[in-house]
Amino acid sequence: EIVMTQSPATLSVSPGERATLSCRASQSVSSNLAWYQQKPGQAPRLLIYGASTRAAGIPARFSGSGSGTEFTLTISSLQSEDFAVYYCQQYNNWPSWTFGQGTKVEI
Amino acid sequence: EVQLVESGGGAVQPGGSLRLSCAASGFTFSNYDMHWVRQVPGKGLEWVSAIGTAGDTYYPASVKGRFTISRENAKNSLYLQLNSLRAGDTAVYYCARNIGQTGAFNIWGQGTMVTV
Repeated sequence: EIVMTQSPATLSVSPGERATLSCRASQSVSSNLAWYQQKPGQAPRLLIYGASTRAAGIPARFSGSGSGTEFTLTISSLQSEDFAVYYCQQYNNWPSWTFGQGTKVEI
Repeated sequence: EVQLVESGGGAVQPGGSLRLSCAASGFTFSNYDMHWVRQVPGKGLEWVSAIGTAGDTYYPASVKGRFTISRENAKNSLYLQLNSLRAGDTAVYYCARNIGQTGAFNIWGQGTMVTV
């Protein structure tokens, strides 16, 4: 099983600041990496897939980069609605899909 | 509108069984692989099963032999049979759909809570 490790566990930032979240895979997942946002009481929402492709309707302030084992989600200027938990997920090791443990972005 | 709606959650004793359902609408259900993902309250996400368009099924070791995923394309429905339930299976269970041919999930239901 591919283990996904996210850091930091919690990121404290102010509105308008830039946030950088990291995700590391225990072995290469190529570019088969997705990022999700989850708010309390809601289902996850797909932000990025293919490591860097924004899903439909996702604002341009969200960007993804990386390949192989190291990935980054960047939120260029945090808005109040961006405070949430973010998960990375690999889908390279079919048929096994694994998620990171999450990064909480808080004010 | 593309939508997934889960039902069937509830409280069950250890060793018991439950059948979850997921009603799909707004897309051609038979054309997509479908998944179940669970989340222990306050914890992370765990993929628990997948079914391909041809009915091929996949599970992680944690649930293999206890959970069974199935689909009924004529009813646009996905199911998850949970058997031999344990306290560790307590979670919100989401059904989810792939985006295109990738393994990223762009459509999620609202979730149904299972308490063991």
